Amino acid sequence: SYQLTQPPSVSVSPGQTARITCSGDSLAKKYGYWYQQKPGQAPVLVISKDNERPSGISERFSGSSSGTTVTLTISGVQAEDEADYYCQSTDSVGTSWVFGGGTKLTV
Amino acid sequence: QAQLVQSGGGVVRPGRSLRLSCTGSGFTFGDFGMHWVRQVPGKGLEWVAAISYDGRDTYYEDSVKGRFTISRDNSKSTVDLQMSSLRPEDTAVYYCATMTTVDYWGQGTLVTVSS
Repeated sequence: SYQLTQPPSVSVSPGQTARITCSGDSLAKKYGYWYQQKPGQAPVLVISKDNERPSGISERFSGSSSGTTVTLTISGVQAEDEADYYCQSTDSVGTSWVFGGGTKLTV
Repeated sequence: QAQLVQSGGGVVRPGRSLRLSCTGSGFTFGDFGMHWVRQVPGKGLEWVAAISYDGRDTYYEDSVKGRFTISRDNSKSTVDLQMSSLRPEDTAVYYCATMTTVDYWGQGTLVTVSS
C-alpha cells in the first residue's frame, strides 16, 4: 500500500525554525496537506494543497513542495507549537487517502 | 459555527458489529465528501473510509474492506460508519472529517473491541 514517510521527531529551541519533511511517490502529482494534533484533541489543518494556509492559521506556518517531498516549515517556533504533525495525501489514482507516520515536534 | 458531532462507539466483543454516526451543522453538508479516520491511542492517524458528496462513490482502506460500510444521508446531514466482524485491532478513536481545504473534524469516539 502507498506510504508517506516522515521523521519520527524534530526538536528545536524557541524562536528557531522547524522543518518537517514528508516523502512519497505520489506527492509529485498529488497535493500534500499538513495537520497539527495536540494531546486529546482532533487534528487541525495547518497547510492545504502543499502551500496554502487556511484561515486562522498563523503566518509562521508555511509549506513547500519539491518532487516527491513536501515540507512544513514553522518559523519562530513557540512553545504552543509543540505537537504531533501529520502529512496527508492520496495515492496516484486519488481513491485512497494516506497519512504519514507523524512527527513529534519538541520545543 | 460549523461542527461535526459524533455518536456511537463503546465496547464491543470481537466479531460483533457497531455503528458510528456523525452529524454536521453550520455548513452545507451535502457539498463535501466525508471521511472516517481512526487513531489507536498513542499512535498515528489512519484513514479508514471515504464517501463522495452525493454518496455515489465509496472508498475503503484495505484492512476494512468487506467489513465496514460508509453511508450518508444529506437530508439529515449525517454520515455513518457501519462496522462488522470487528477485530481487536480495530480498537481506536474514530473521527469523522471533511479533510478538504475547508476542514472540519468530529470530537472523536473510542471504539474498544475486546472479549
